[in-house]
Amino acid sequence: VQLVQSGGVVVQPGGSLRLSCAASGFRFDDYTMHWVRQVPGKGLEWVSLISWDGSATYHADSVRGRFTISRDNSKNSLYLQLNSLRPEDTALYFCAKDIRTFAYEGIDHWGQGTLVTVSS
Amino acid sequence: QSTLTQPASVSGSPGQSITISCTGTSSDVGRYKLVSWYQQHPDSAPKLVIYEVNKRPSGISDRFSGSKSGNTASLTISGLQAEDEADYYCCSYTAPTTWVFGGGTKITVL
Repeated sequence: VQLVQSGGVVVQPGGSLRLSCAASGFRFDDYTMHWVRQVPGKGLEWVSLISWDGSATYHADSVRGRFTISRDNSKNSLYLQLNSLRPEDTALYFCAKDIRTFAYEGIDHWGQGTLVTVSS
Repeated sequence: QSTLTQPASVSGSPGQSITISCTGTSSDVGRYKLVSWYQQHPDSAPKLVIYEVNKRPSGISDRFSGSKSGNTASLTISGLQAEDEADYYCCSYTAPTTWVFGGGTKITVL
């Protein structure tokens, strides 16, 4: 299993960006995928998940209405659109794969992380 | 969503056993078997060590074990080794289809 994420970025408050994650080594379209973030030096925070077929998405209260998770199964890719960014969104963002096929059971594999810095 | 409660730090000597607690509520840890534990070394991504309360992924040492009682889950590391020094996070499913992590516990091997 490999989850390779796009590089780090600096964005101004109120700005937008899209994170991407390229998956390989497993049947991507069989698995729910997640985004989790971590403020440097702090704990983990679950952000979003999307079902294996993209029909269902869920977001944490802290990002609902500002962030959107999506996937392109034809490209084995996961995305996170971040809008209306705030300084408190500064964090390392991990893409992650669910444990079981066709289920929401938790996370087993993680990407290397993408550092998003929101600063003027 | 609130975080699950973990002790900030736990320490032990090589060869000893240590246990990390993870306290939630009847809406998360107490209600579902979907509790997992992650090990994170500095500047690395987290690594799954326990899932579904007490199951070990392939390749994880049997020195790692998990359990749950009521609203509290626990991770026990037996035969503590220097390589076990890391941060550990618990995670639980909670309705409606969200996940909550603990604040993390730093394990120090003396």
